Amino acid sequence: ETLMTQSPATLSVSPGEGASLSCRASQSVSNTLAWYQQKPGQAPRLLIYDASTRATGIPARFSGSGSGTEFTLTITSLQSEDFAFYYCQQYSHWPLTFGGGTRVEIK
Amino acid sequence: QVQLVESGGGLVKPDGSLRLSCAVSGFNFSDYYMGWVRQAPGKGLEWVSYIGSRNIPIYYADSVRGRFTISRDNAKNSLYLQMNSLRVDDTAVYYCARTVISRAPYFEFWGQGTLVTVSS
Repeated sequence: ETLMTQSPATLSVSPGEGASLSCRASQSVSNTLAWYQQKPGQAPRLLIYDASTRATGIPARFSGSGSGTEFTLTITSLQSEDFAFYYCQQYSHWPLTFGGGTRVEIK
Repeated sequence: QVQLVESGGGLVKPDGSLRLSCAVSGFNFSDYYMGWVRQAPGKGLEWVSYIGSRNIPIYYADSVRGRFTISRDNAKNSLYLQMNSLRVDDTAVYYCARTVISRAPYFEFWGQGTLVTVSS
C-alpha cells in the first residue's frame, strides 16, 4: 500500500497570506496525485488532478506541483473561504490512498 | 448539473447488514467509473471500493474485502454498496463519488454522504 503523509497537520495562516501544504508518497506515484478541499459538514471538492492541473472552476490562487514522491499544494493570498481541510490522494497504485489531511486555520 | 444522492444509511448492530444506494443524474452514468469513499467521525478520507462502467474492474480496500459488495444498475442510474458483517469501525459517512471520463481513479464529483453508525 502506498502511504501518503501530509504535513503539517495544522497550518495557521492570516487572511491574505500564502500557504504551502506538503504531501509525500511512500513510493513513486509519478504525477497521479489529486488534491481535495473539504469544509466541515460538506463533501470533498476536487481542486487539482495530475499533480498540477486545476479542476474546473477552481481559482488560480490554487496551484499544485511535484512528481514522484513529493508534492505541494500552494494557495496564494488565502481568502476566508479557503480555511478548510485539504487531502491528497494517489491514484497510481491500488489500493487508492489518501493522506491524513492538513487543516488550514485562521491565525 | 451533476448530482449524486446517497441513501440507506442508519444505525445497525455489529454483524448486521446495510445496503447503500447512490442515485445519479446530470450525466451519462454508464460512461463513468464510480467509487465509494468513507470518513469516520473526526477522521480523514478512506477509499472503500471502485467499479468500472460495465461492472469491471472492481476493487476493494483490504478493510472491507469479503464483507462489502459494490454494484451498479446503469438502467436505473444507481450505484450500490452492500455491507455485511458490519463492525464498529465501519461507522462513517459514506460518500458516492464519480471519476472522470478518462477513467483515472480520482473523484471529480461527490454526493453529500450518508451516515452509517454501527453500535450495539
